[in-house]
Amino acid sequence: GAGVSQTPSNKVTEKGKYVELRCDPISGHTALYWYRQSLGQGPEFLIYFQGTGAADDSGLPNDRFFAVRPEGSVSTLKIQRTERGDSAVYLCASSLKGQNTEAFFGQGTRLTVV
Amino acid sequence: KNEVEQSPQNLTAQEGEFITINCSYSVGISALHWLQQHPGGGIVSLFMLSSGKKKHGRLIATINIQEKHSSLHITASHPRDSAVYICAAMEYGNKLVFGAGTILRVKS
Repeated sequence: GAGVSQTPSNKVTEKGKYVELRCDPISGHTALYWYRQSLGQGPEFLIYFQGTGAADDSGLPNDRFFAVRPEGSVSTLKIQRTERGDSAVYLCASSLKGQNTEAFFGQGTRLTVV
Repeated sequence: KNEVEQSPQNLTAQEGEFITINCSYSVGISALHWLQQHPGGGIVSLFMLSSGKKKHGRLIATINIQEKHSSLHITASHPRDSAVYICAAMEYGNKLVFGAGTILRVKS
């Protein structure tokens, strides 16, 4: 695609439910990143994929959060037993190779847990 | 202390003014990004730099690796420049560490 695409753009879910957020990176980009941005703050790193593998998942806050990228392109961020504190904008970015290559961001998914 | 600090947090300028946003970082980096985020919008990468200076239109970004400091300048500012500007340091592990952002409002 022309840019990084994230779906849905908005998601409202009830506390305790399971959600999946999708990221479709720019074609050919091997590096994919997930970030989370809470209101009034800068984004925080969650996880970085290089190809199919998670090269760094040190930003995932707890074991309710999991992400996959099975074919090295589309990635899904999965959140189990959602809590109100999970409400944030979840941003996805991709870059051609990772190190020292420009990152391109999606529009984000705004998750609201009620 | 945050690894990436930006100043100021908020900035209001009059149209036409020269604007400077500063970024200091404490981590070792391979590159530094300046990003722009409009309300309700996604993030757009303005610059990625690892040394010296880059210019694009009315925007100029500089970095001093020794001092671990970068600046973003906007010349002849315009109301359409109003946005949040975010500095993000790319660590050698590839992840970006973001500053909290500078909210810029340019009044006509």
